[in-house]
Amino acid sequence: DVKVTQSSRYLVKRTGEKVFLECVQDMDHENMFWYRQDPGLGLRLIYFSYDVKMKEKGDIPEGYSVSREKKERFSLILESASTNQTSMYLCASSWGGARANEKLFFGSGTQLSVL
Amino acid sequence: AQKITQTQPGMFVQEKEAVTLDCTYDTSDPSYGLFWYKQPSSGEMIFLIYQGSYDQQNATEGRYSLNFQKARKSANLVISASQLGDSAMYFCAMSRTNDMRFGAGTRLTVKP
Repeated sequence: DVKVTQSSRYLVKRTGEKVFLECVQDMDHENMFWYRQDPGLGLRLIYFSYDVKMKEKGDIPEGYSVSREKKERFSLILESASTNQTSMYLCASSWGGARANEKLFFGSGTQLSVL
Repeated sequence: AQKITQTQPGMFVQEKEAVTLDCTYDTSDPSYGLFWYKQPSSGEMIFLIYQGSYDQQNATEGRYSLNFQKARKSANLVISASQLGDSAMYFCAMSRTNDMRFGAGTRLTVKP
């Protein structure tokens, strides 16, 4: 079974801190995604990556950056955390390439609270 | 930019009855995929069903079927014979090649 692992289930940070959210997948997937989930807004795409060192902005990239130095790992970085970044963050991966348009496999999420 | 719209924030259905969850999408790409995911209160995201834009027939997976109307750009999820365990958030999503975007979701409550 595919496993997508997010490093923390709950995280509490202070305003202005630099925050790293880590995600690792074990199925050699090419695509990796970061979403944030807020009530009434669904899942909004922050960034995605279709290959090592490649990244694409999603719909709400402001205040975030990402890093993909290795195929299995995709990191989301909040450069200077703000209270409006308090949210559930979901990482996901999929095959990509010739197997585009395949389903996503999700991690269990990180509930981030910025105080 | 692609957009996915779910107009029903909440729905109620009686146990054993069928329910339709609405989803419309907007894209100018000829090739895309449509998905439905279920998120129970535990928070995990569960893939339910997939429809490709070139598929002629509506997708079915057990009690789930996707009513795909390409000209109307709609991809409604039909759940037959609802069960109490179907109570959850349901998200419609669309992908083009490498990305995937989601609607705001519909919270379905199944009443005994």
